[in-house]
Amino acid sequence: QKEVEQNSGPLSVPEGAIASLNCTYSDRGSQSFFWYRQYSGKSPELIMSIYSNGDKEDGRFTAQLNKASQYVSLLIRDSQPSDSATYLCAVNKDWGAQKLVFGQGTRLTINP
Amino acid sequence: ETGVTQSPTHLIKTRGQQVTLRCSSQSGHNTVSWYQQALGQGPQFIFQYYREEENGRGNFPPRFSGLQFPNYSSELNVNALELDDSALYLCASSGGSQRYNEQFFGPGTRLTVL
Repeated sequence: QKEVEQNSGPLSVPEGAIASLNCTYSDRGSQSFFWYRQYSGKSPELIMSIYSNGDKEDGRFTAQLNKASQYVSLLIRDSQPSDSATYLCAVNKDWGAQKLVFGQGTRLTINP
Repeated sequence: ETGVTQSPTHLIKTRGQQVTLRCSSQSGHNTVSWYQQALGQGPQFIFQYYREEENGRGNFPPRFSGLQFPNYSSELNVNALELDDSALYLCASSGGSQRYNEQFFGPGTRLTVL
């Protein structure tokens, strides 16, 4: 079992709709959770961090965390073609070392 | 605020050679982490430096080594290059007074081993 799992996609969503990206993790002791966006040929860009159960909203983005189910998700409202990218879920198991474990990423395409 | 910078942007080496990659952390950050990202995969943690000491290491052989300098910049050294070392090498800095647990990536160095 991989430590962090994501559906590799591609996930295709019409412009203006809600894109839903999901991630599961195996270590119950995981402390913090991050979503990165990576455009083709570029480096990952941090878009959301979440540490507590529940929802966290930032503009069009909402991160959701359920530690009991070991599940974290990212919702993108009013999807735009510029949101087309690979979305990486990352989990930090250890506050001290801040070692991020990444999923393989989900490729998202927003269709105009 | 200056972001994370990396050099060089691209590098081509042959098998068996050695390479040094460089990273300057974001201003106010004292921690640098290095990751390797193969094509189509998520980044994999190599190691992390905090105040010039290694502070955690992933599942990489000893021929991957690093340094951190007093100004918090860092180097990644890879000896005896293998074909499988071809990847995007990412440096991330963290440890600012706010959002200290968040890691911000530089643009990366694309290494090709022939």
